[in-house]
Amino acid sequence: QSVLTQPPSASGTPGQRVTISCSGSSSNIGSNYVYWYQQLPGTAPKLLIYKNNQRPSGVPDRFSGSKSGTSASLAISGLRSEDEADYYCAAWDDSLSAWVFGGGTKLTVL
Amino acid sequence: EVQLVESGGGLVQPGGSLRLSCAASGFTFRSYSMNWVRQAPGKGLEWVSYISSSSSTIYYADSVKGRFTISRDNAKDSLYLEMNSLRDEDTAVYYCVRGLEYTSSKGMDVWGQGTTVSVSS
Repeated sequence: QSVLTQPPSASGTPGQRVTISCSGSSSNIGSNYVYWYQQLPGTAPKLLIYKNNQRPSGVPDRFSGSKSGTSASLAISGLRSEDEADYYCAAWDDSLSAWVFGGGTKLTVL
Repeated sequence: EVQLVESGGGLVQPGGSLRLSCAASGFTFRSYSMNWVRQAPGKGLEWVSYISSSSSTIYYADSVKGRFTISRDNAKDSLYLEMNSLRDEDTAVYYCVRGLEYTSSKGMDVWGQGTTVSVSS
């Protein structure tokens, strides 16, 4: 059981917009930055969104993040086949003094 | 180029020990906190441990507390994870991850490629 809650799966067709939610609590998302990581099959996770809504250089602006209260979301617009991957949200938890992750969302591009 | 390269993984029997290493390059290692994160086969990501830039602050996940020890050598740009009393459930790919420190929060950005630990008799 993950501390952060994500849907296990999401899907969309090429060109569509999909969103992935991440729900937490006041001790993690509610009081710390949210990070999103993309893990392509067979590879290490890669930073996709930092500090709730910032994109590292090289990440397409099709990817965007937002946060409200104790929830966050990742949006992917103009869906492409290469976006098929697992996506994880994460935040520092002040009560646990630990990083907490969502269980991951497997995105399928139909 | 910022790079993290893990090593030291392998097959070990339950109750055994292993020491993982992570060699950092392309950034000022001593200025950054570091983390270990693991991923069991077919499962999600699980944070294991955190160490501050000066080693003054260390945190562990409850699942490894008392069995694993994180350390670093800033002179050698290296991070370590000493794993003792290994259990089947410790089987995973272990990633070294660079940490970020803000006034009232933390972050993690760069990940290594991972090293595989298999605990089995």
